[in-house]
Amino acid sequence: DIQLTQSPSFVSASVGDRVTITCRASQGISTYLAWYQQKPGKAPELLIYAAATLQSGVPSRFSGSGSGTEFTLTIGSLQPEDFATYYCQRLNSFPYTFGPGTKVDVK
Amino acid sequence: EVQLVESGGAVVQPGGSLRLSCAASGFTFTDYAMHWVRQVPGKGLEWVSVINWDGGSSYYSDSVKGRFFISRDNSKKSLYLQMNSLRTEDTALYYCVKEGGFFSDGVFYGGVFHHWGQATLVTVSS
Repeated sequence: DIQLTQSPSFVSASVGDRVTITCRASQGISTYLAWYQQKPGKAPELLIYAAATLQSGVPSRFSGSGSGTEFTLTIGSLQPEDFATYYCQRLNSFPYTFGPGTKVDVK
Repeated sequence: EVQLVESGGAVVQPGGSLRLSCAASGFTFTDYAMHWVRQVPGKGLEWVSVINWDGGSSYYSDSVKGRFFISRDNSKKSLYLQMNSLRTEDTALYYCVKEGGFFSDGVFYGGVFHHWGQATLVTVSS
């Protein structure tokens, strides 16, 4: 099975910072990747699919890029509501593996 | 508005069984594949199982294969997860998830988890 890793595991950042999270796949997965945001006590929410397509309603400060084995999620200017854990997920083929998550915390 | 409401979570002994349910509303249930995803509190997400729109196909993660069984009743707009031979490592929040039908540049992307329920907690402990 394809494995996903994320780096860093934790990010300490301030409001207004630019934050970049990397997701790496153990084999090439083209652009079959999604990103989710999860806040404490809440279900995850879809941010991005197809590696770079922003889900409707998601603020434009979020962006995704990459293909093959390396992907990035960028938050252009961190807002107070963005402190959360972010997961990448493989699409289109079972099992639908998730990355281990990256927690974005207040510096 | 899409709503997914899970129920059935409980404390159960190792080796026991449990059946989770998910009541769906706000969308055409038969248009979508449905999934179960679980999460140990404070830990990451793990995909568990998927069933296609008519219940004719289903797939499982290796960690639950042969013990868990997914099903759906389209007349009741409900999704189920029969969990047998439960282990302590099955302790988790279980989310019912609706897959979205997403296209980008003409390419279909399966497995995009568009809508999530609020989860039901399963605790396996003696």
